[in-house]
Amino acid sequence: DVKVTQSSRYLVKRTGEKVFLECVQDMDHENMFWYRQDPGLGLRLIYFSYDVKMKEKGDIPEGYSVSREKKERFSLILESASTNQTSMYLCASTLELRGYGYTFGSGTRLTVV
Amino acid sequence: QKEVEQNSGPLSVPEGAIASLNCTYSDRGSQSFFWYRQYSGKSPELIMSIYSNGDKEDGRFTAQLNKASQYVSLLIRDSQPSDSATYLCAVSLSGAGSYQLTFGKGTKLSVIP
Repeated sequence: DVKVTQSSRYLVKRTGEKVFLECVQDMDHENMFWYRQDPGLGLRLIYFSYDVKMKEKGDIPEGYSVSREKKERFSLILESASTNQTSMYLCASTLELRGYGYTFGSGTRLTVV
Repeated sequence: QKEVEQNSGPLSVPEGAIASLNCTYSDRGSQSFFWYRQYSGKSPELIMSIYSNGDKEDGRFTAQLNKASQYVSLLIRDSQPSDSATYLCAVSLSGAGSYQLTFGKGTKLSVIP
């Protein structure tokens, strides 16, 4: 069964900290995505990557960066965490949209205090 | 900005009834359409995909697509309390090589026993 693993289910960090959210997939997918989900705002795309070393900004990249050094791992970095980055973060991957859609990780609930 | 619109609900239906969930999208070039189910505190899981105009059935679920009207819907027959969740409509971005999905904000479904 295909799997997308996010390293932490819950995280609490302090304002100003550098935060790393890790996502690993075991399906040999080229395409990986980071979303955040907030009540009333839905899923919003932060960054995505279609290949190793490649990254593209999504709709809300401000305050975030990403790293993709290996095909299976896509990391989201909060350079200096702020309270408005408190959210549910979801990683997803896909081989092809047609026939597959996205497979999501279980999510990381991040609270910045 | 490509948009996907859904009624936020809540949509309440009695057990055994048909639940009808609707979605409209703005990107006329979109080719792939998905319905995800999300239980509270969990990540989205894919339940239906549709790519051609018409109906597609899978068990109690039927997805309907009308590209001319830019409309996609999900019918759930014989609704069960376990179907109570938020349903997300997702639409692919048009353009060659795009693997991005745009999500609606979701419709919350409540099935009353």
